[in-house]
Amino acid sequence: AQSVSQHNHHVILSEAASLELGCNYSYGGTVNLFWYVQYPGQHLQLLLKYFSGDPLVKGIKGFEAEFIKSKFSFNLRKPSVQWSDTAEYFCATRNTGGFKTIFGAGTRLFVKA
Amino acid sequence: KAGVTQTPRYLIKTRGQQVTLSCSPISGHRSVSWYQQTPGQGLQFLFEYFSETQRNKGNFPGRFSGRQFSNSRSEMNVSTLELGDSALYLCASSPSTGGSGYTFGSGTRLTVV
Repeated sequence: AQSVSQHNHHVILSEAASLELGCNYSYGGTVNLFWYVQYPGQHLQLLLKYFSGDPLVKGIKGFEAEFIKSKFSFNLRKPSVQWSDTAEYFCATRNTGGFKTIFGAGTRLFVKA
Repeated sequence: KAGVTQTPRYLIKTRGQQVTLSCSPISGHRSVSWYQQTPGQGLQFLFEYFSETQRNKGNFPGRFSGRQFSNSRSEMNVSTLELGDSALYLCASSPSTGGSGYTFGSGTRLTVV
């Protein structure tokens, strides 16, 4: 069955620290991969997505993610976080040809000013 | 352009009642998906619709149902409400079948008392 695992439920960082949030998925076929972000009081929004091609994808606000097929991983990274990056981050996967996107449990990031 | 609109924003119902939630997707989007979001379970997939057809359904009891209209608007219905149905219900739309990523609405907060 399709599933997504996010390694950390809560992460606390100081401003300017580097960020890496882990995400692993279980589906063995071809997948589309996503990261969504939910800022406090706002609705979920798409941060970045991977379909095919270059495994390193860049999204909004300086975020990037790397797809490593052999590890079934799609980790989210940012070289230097800001206080405004405080939010909850969700990894999601969708098997191509399927009609269901599965979300991970989310990681709450708190950035200290 | 207008985003995904969900109505109502808040709802309080009594156990045993039924409820209907509405979602208007972004103009031109033909796919609508529904999710239940709770603090303990994260985002749980309910349904996905495309061109008025339910393409997939999550692991929810038959009390949860939905439909999509010819203008792509969607409704979901929950009958015989239980306390455990209290949650934020999110609607998301996509141009085609959801593979390009979703645009989410702000959700309907349902409280069952």
